[in-house]
Amino acid sequence: QLQLQESGPGLVKPSETLSLTCVVSGDSISNSDYSWGWIRQPPGRGLEWIGTIYHSGTASYNPSLKSRVTISADTSKNEFSLRLTSVTAADTGVYYCARRGRFLLVVGVPFDLWGQGSLLTVSS
Amino acid sequence: QSVLTQPPSVSGAPGQKVTISCTGSNSNIGAGYDVHWYQQLPGTAPKLLIYGNKYRPSGVPDRFSASKSGTSASLAITGLQAEDEADYYCQSYAGSLSVFGGGTKVTVL
Repeated sequence: QLQLQESGPGLVKPSETLSLTCVVSGDSISNSDYSWGWIRQPPGRGLEWIGTIYHSGTASYNPSLKSRVTISADTSKNEFSLRLTSVTAADTGVYYCARRGRFLLVVGVPFDLWGQGSLLTVSS
Repeated sequence: QSVLTQPPSVSGAPGQKVTISCTGSNSNIGAGYDVHWYQQLPGTAPKLLIYGNKYRPSGVPDRFSASKSGTSASLAITGLQAEDEADYYCQSYAGSLSVFGGGTKVTVL
């Protein structure tokens, strides 16, 4: 059964760079049926899509974060990563990795499997 | 400010029906992109509840139903149960960009 597990530092200082990794088990991230995304949730607030990396290795990003975000994949480790530069307190929240599955006849594929989330706090 | 607009909260007594709206625009829902719904129980990750406007993944009770029309979509919960108390989010697309609603808290009275 496919599982996703986020890992990260937990605490990052303002202006530093955040790096989070999502380890995928139970399937290969190279599977062309899937793409992989990052979504975050500030404390007490709603979900915000950060970006998605596709089988081709290309990625799309939320325009509000695009200048600071990079999503990459390491197929040898079966994991994908998020890098967010120049973090501020506004970047505090729970970060989720998720799979975009294969759904026939659906225009715009949903995130069908999610990791449990990784809490990130930005503080000095 | 979320791209898709949802009411912050709805409530209902056990057994009743509640409906959550999700309003977008001609650049997302109205452009033909499907709407998906997620349920987030307290302290847990979101779970896919409805995909492709109206389809339930395996294991989702049939008291959850959804529809889409024009630039909006809606989720209905009939026969409301205590375990349905959660946050619900709609999601769609604007081209390659994914957009979420702000979320709706469902309270079971």
